[in-house]
Amino acid sequence: EDQVTQSPEALRLQEGESSSLNCSYTVSGLRGLFWYRQDPGKGPEFLFTLYSAGEEKEKERLKATLTKKESFLHITAPKPEDSATYLCAAVVYGNNRLAFGKGNQVVVIP
Amino acid sequence: KAGVTQTPRYLIKTRGQQVTLSCSPISGHRSVSWYQQTPGQGLQFLFEYFSETQRNKGNFPGRFSGRQFSNSRSEMNVSTLELGDSALYLCASSLGEAPGETQYFGPGTRLLVL
Repeated sequence: EDQVTQSPEALRLQEGESSSLNCSYTVSGLRGLFWYRQDPGKGPEFLFTLYSAGEEKEKERLKATLTKKESFLHITAPKPEDSATYLCAAVVYGNNRLAFGKGNQVVVIP
Repeated sequence: KAGVTQTPRYLIKTRGQQVTLSCSPISGHRSVSWYQQTPGQGLQFLFEYFSETQRNKGNFPGRFSGRQFSNSRSEMNVSTLELGDSALYLCASSLGEAPGETQYFGPGTRLLVL
């Protein structure tokens, strides 16, 4: 069964304190690895798609990387507005369903 | 370009009732997927529709059903509601041309079953 596991579940950071979120996946035939950001009461907001090991993508203070077994979301010098739940999801060959991890809840303290 | 819209945003129902939720995808997107989000289980895939046909189905009972119209708008229906159906129901749209395309989510419909 396809499985996506995120760690840590929750993270409190001081403003400016860089950190990384982990997403490990056990799937048969990864087609794409997705990162979303979700604020309370809202739908997930798309951040990145990674398709092959070694790929990296950046957006402002966020950088996503992918290996054959896991993905990392690096948050550099976070600000309070980066507080959110970050969701990782995998899509496998043959279908279009997103298999989500439980999320990393990040709180950035001013 | 307008994003994915969902109506209604909030619903309160009682056990045994049925409910219909609606989703309008981004213009030009032909695939609509539905997900259920709960604190305990996280986001779980319900089903995907493409060109008015169900293309994928998750592991949910038959009380959960959906359909897609010729303009790609989609509805999902839950019959004989149970307390455990209380959740945020999210729909996501994509072009639908190949697996692995980015799916864009709507704001969700919050369903409370009493």
